[in-house]
Amino acid sequence: AIQLTQSPSSLSASVGDSVTITCRASQGISSALAWYQQKPGKPPKLLIYAVSSLEVGVPSRFSGSGSGTEFTLTISSLQPEDSATYYCQQALNIPLTFGGGTKVEIK
Amino acid sequence: QVQLQESGPGLVKPSETLSLTCTVSGGSMNDYFWSWIRQPPGRGLEWIGYVYYSGSSTSYNPSLKSRVTVSVDTSKNQFSLRLMSVTAADTAVYYCARRRRGYENFDSWGQGTLVTVSS
Repeated sequence: AIQLTQSPSSLSASVGDSVTITCRASQGISSALAWYQQKPGKPPKLLIYAVSSLEVGVPSRFSGSGSGTEFTLTISSLQPEDSATYYCQQALNIPLTFGGGTKVEIK
Repeated sequence: QVQLQESGPGLVKPSETLSLTCTVSGGSMNDYFWSWIRQPPGRGLEWIGYVYYSGSSTSYNPSLKSRVTVSVDTSKNQFSLRLMSVTAADTAVYYCARRRRGYENFDSWGQGTLVTVSS
């Protein structure tokens, strides 16, 4: 199975800051990567698919980039409502797998 | 806007079978794959498997394949999960989700249901 390693596992930043989360795959996954946001007690919410395609209704401050084995999720101007755990997911091979998550806290 | 809702027992005894149902409302099941994903308390997400709306195709996580069945009943707008021979390691919040067309991602999710395996 393709393993996804996210870094950092947690971060704390201030409102207005730019935040970047990295997801590294154990093998090349082309552009088959998605990002989800999960708040406590809620299901994950799809933010980005196919590396950089923004899901309808997701604020434009969220963006994704990368290819091959290294990918990033950037929040350009952090807002209080962005406090959550973020997961990457590879969409190339079965079994579909998720990264371990990055918890984003607001200072 | 499609909505998904999980239902089923919140407590299952070890060695027994976990059975959950997901009811889909507000949209058609046609032409989509329907999936189960779980999350142990305080941990990350694990994809379990999915079924095509017609029932003609299924795919499972190899780590669970020998114990899991995902089935669909479009006449009831439902799909189901059966996980046999459960242990405490199967304790998790179980989510049902819709796979986005053309992509192996999940664009609609249920709220999740906690299933505890304990005697």
